[in-house]
Amino acid sequence: KAGVTQTPRYLIKTRGQQVTLSCSPISGHRSVSWYQQTPGQGLQFLFEYFSETQRNKGNFPGRFSGRQFSNSRSEMNVSTLELGDSALYLCASRKGGSNEKLFFGSGTQLSVL
Amino acid sequence: SQKIEQNSEALNIQEGKTATLTCNYTNYSPAYLQWYRQDPGRGPVFLLLIRENEKEKRKERLKVTFDTTLKQSLFHITASQPADSATYLCALGVLTGGGNKLTFGTGTQLKVEL
Repeated sequence: KAGVTQTPRYLIKTRGQQVTLSCSPISGHRSVSWYQQTPGQGLQFLFEYFSETQRNKGNFPGRFSGRQFSNSRSEMNVSTLELGDSALYLCASRKGGSNEKLFFGSGTQLSVL
Repeated sequence: SQKIEQNSEALNIQEGKTATLTCNYTNYSPAYLQWYRQDPGRGPVFLLLIRENEKEKRKERLKVTFDTTLKQSLFHITASQPADSATYLCALGVLTGGGNKLTFGTGTQLKVEL
C-alpha cells in the first residue's frame, strides 16, 4: 500500500508569490490534515479536511487555504508569500475516525526568498 | 493559554539505558495522547496512543504513561539503541464539534551513544 505522497519535495519562491502544494493520502483514507513545521514553533496545525469539507482549522491567516477533492487528494495554497512562511509543510492522512493515528508524508520544504 | 511542553534540550544517553521523555500540558483536556518519532527530513511516524482513562501502554521496548491529574505523559524507551536516536513528539487529541484535533509539542531530540 502506497504511503502519503506530497509534491513537490522542494520549492523556492519569492515574496508576494503564491504556491500550491499537493497531497495524495493513503488509499481509503478520507481525512487529510496539513501542518506547518518550523524549528522554533514545531508542528502547527493548519486545517483538516474530511470528505471534501473542512472540519477543523488552526490559527493561520486567510492567506492559507486548502481544499479536498472527491478522490480525497488535497491541495494547500498560500497566497502573497512572506519570508516567515518558509517551513516544512506536512500532510497527514487517516481513515477519519476519532483517536486514529496520522500517517505523514515526507513534506514539502518551502523556501521564500 | 494552552501549552504543550517537551524538553527543549537534547537528551543524550548511553546505549542500553532507559530513555525517559516528558510531555507536560496546561489548559487542555485531551481525550487521548499520541507519541510520534521523527527522523531528519522525514514526516513523523506514529508510535503509541494512550486514552484519558488509561494509565499505561506498552509496545515492545516502549512504554507510555498518562497522568491526567499531573497533566503529564512520560515516554520510556528501554534498552536504548543508537537507532533510537531521533526527535520524539507528543500530540494531544481534543474532541471538537467537527471531529478531533491533534496538537503537537515541539519535540525532544534523543541521542543514544555507544
